Amino acid sequence: DAEITQSPRHKITETGRQVTLACHQTWNHNNMFWYRQDLGHGLRLIHYSYGVQDTNKGEVSDGYSVSRSNTEDLPLTLESAASSQTSVYFCASRRTVNTEAFFGQGTRLTVV
Amino acid sequence: AQSVTQPDIHITVSEGASLELRCNYSYGATPYLFWYVQSPGQGLQLLLKYFSGDTLVQGIKGFEAEFKRSQSSFNLRKPSVHWSDAAEYFCAVAGTDSWGKLQFGAGTQVVVTP
Repeated sequence: DAEITQSPRHKITETGRQVTLACHQTWNHNNMFWYRQDLGHGLRLIHYSYGVQDTNKGEVSDGYSVSRSNTEDLPLTLESAASSQTSVYFCASRRTVNTEAFFGQGTRLTVV
Repeated sequence: AQSVTQPDIHITVSEGASLELRCNYSYGATPYLFWYVQSPGQGLQLLLKYFSGDTLVQGIKGFEAEFKRSQSSFNLRKPSVHWSDAAEYFCAVAGTDSWGKLQFGAGTQVVVTP
């Protein structure tokens, strides 16, 4: 069955380190998204991509970057991790704008 | 700019009672509308969606939602809640242009009491 997987599921890192969270989907969806979930804020959009070589900033993109070298993967990189980036991160994909988005199980990141 | 508001942060409901969760959106036209549910420690699951047509949409787990253009609302309802409905519920909108971002409200936490 097609799916979307995130790795790792849990990570603890130190302030200032570079961290990359992986997202891999097997639906061949063009649209992929990264969100962070924090209490009281719901899911906030970090970056999104509508296809290979396309990336766009969301509402909370500072300190994060993404790259899209193939359809299946959209890795999220924290250039220099900060305590404010402690959060649960969700990756999602969808085929087109008017179809359902499927979510990964999330990555819980703690920056100490 | 598009936005989504869920006015209720937390709702407590008795098992068997009805449930209504509110969602209001701001967008230049009618966006695509969604309700997702998140159980503790899990990802998000789609409950239902509205794109066009009948303004009352049926979803999974006995949920339904009604789109009201005049009120810019898309409220979620369930006639009789079960203990398993305890979860966090998110309303989301996506613009109908080809670059439509999927944007979420802050969520409503539902607690079900015996």
